[in-house]
Amino acid sequence: DVQMTQSPLSLSASVGERVTVTCRASQSLGPYLHWYQQKPGKAPKLLIYAVSNLQSGVPSRFSGSGSGTDFTLTITSLQPEDFGIYYCQQSISTPYTFGQGTRLDIQ
Amino acid sequence: QVQLQESGPGLVRPSQTLSLTCTVSGGSISGRGHYWSWIRQPPGKGLEWIGYIFYSGSTDYKSSLKSRSTISLDTSKNQFSLRLTSVTAADTGVYYCATNAGLGTYYQWDYWGRGTLVTVSP
Repeated sequence: DVQMTQSPLSLSASVGERVTVTCRASQSLGPYLHWYQQKPGKAPKLLIYAVSNLQSGVPSRFSGSGSGTDFTLTITSLQPEDFGIYYCQQSISTPYTFGQGTRLDIQ
Repeated sequence: QVQLQESGPGLVRPSQTLSLTCTVSGGSISGRGHYWSWIRQPPGKGLEWIGYIFYSGSTDYKSSLKSRSTISLDTSKNQFSLRLTSVTAADTGVYYCATNAGLGTYYQWDYWGRGTLVTVSP
């Protein structure tokens, strides 16, 4: 199975700050890396697909980058509504796996 | 816009079978390129992929759940279902159905149901 490791597991940041979440895979993923945001009591929401493609309707302050085994989700100019848990997910091979999640709190 | 809605019992007794249905609207369950997945989340924990059924009917499951899992399609009702046998308390959690946008995607989950909480308890 492909292991996905996120860091940090939690962070707290202020409105307007730039936030970065990192995801490392146990093998090269090509374009098969995606990011989701989950808020309490809600289903995950797709933010970024195929490493760097912004899902329709997602604000442009979200961006993704990376290659091989190392990937990054960046939020520029953090907004109050960006709190939640962020997950990376690989779809290069089954079983599809997620990172542990990064909890983002707004200070 | 595809919409998904899970349904099924919220309480299942240990050793019994968990059965959930996902009703699809705004698109055909036979639509080319769709992988119809089940994903679960134990209380306070992360996300776990259970398995999928391809629009053609082929399936794939997480190996640790494969012996207990069955995902099936009902094209007449535009639904797909999950059966998980011999449940234990470890199977308690929110169960989501999800799918990709179809052909030409990277198997990401563009569409999700709201999720349904299933509790395994005597």
